[in-house]
Amino acid sequence: SQKIEQNSEALNIQEGKTATLTCNYTNYSPAYLQWYRQDPGRGPVFLLLIRENEKEKRKERLKVTFDTTLKQSLFHITASQPADSATYLCAYNAGNMLTFGGGTRLMVKP
Amino acid sequence: SQTIHQWPATLVQPVGSPLSLECTVEGTSNPNLYWYRQAAGRGLQLLFYSVGIGQISSEVPQNLSASRPQDRQFILSSKKLLLSDSGFYLCAWSVLSYEQYFGPGTRLTVT
Repeated sequence: SQKIEQNSEALNIQEGKTATLTCNYTNYSPAYLQWYRQDPGRGPVFLLLIRENEKEKRKERLKVTFDTTLKQSLFHITASQPADSATYLCAYNAGNMLTFGGGTRLMVKP
Repeated sequence: SQTIHQWPATLVQPVGSPLSLECTVEGTSNPNLYWYRQAAGRGLQLLFYSVGIGQISSEVPQNLSASRPQDRQFILSSKKLLLSDSGFYLCAWSVLSYEQYFGPGTRLTVT
């Protein structure tokens, strides 16, 4: 069955650097991959959606790539800020449902 | 604009007691609705989803149930809570099965 995996270890980076988070999936390429941000005690917030036929998507300081050969999506935050500290979740669409990865916690230190 | 409400925000219930969590959406029609549970430090587990009134799909067999009595209302229930039911319960909506929009969540502690 399809699985979606994210690095469970927290990512610690210095303010101003680029954060790169990884999302890997097994088996077939999903039609879409999505990225969400979740702050402690809050619901996830949708950030970006990338389609299978799109290589890259950008929104302000965020960039998402989708590599169907590597079965991987990368999520980049450029010029990171302490306010970017949160858990980031990737998810793939399967019909009416989303299946989420376990999330990666990002800590940006000033 | 669309908004999603969940209540209560926090709940402490004894084992064996019933549960009713409510979710309502405003500003959209015929949304897909979802219930997720998130255990501490864990990912999101889809519990139920609904594509229309009275239409419920269950993803995980358990002592929970869901109902959708109105287009924009989704209710999560249990007749008898277990300790393992503790967690953060999130309701979400979507249109056309694309991105989902989540409510503020309910923190349930079963004692």
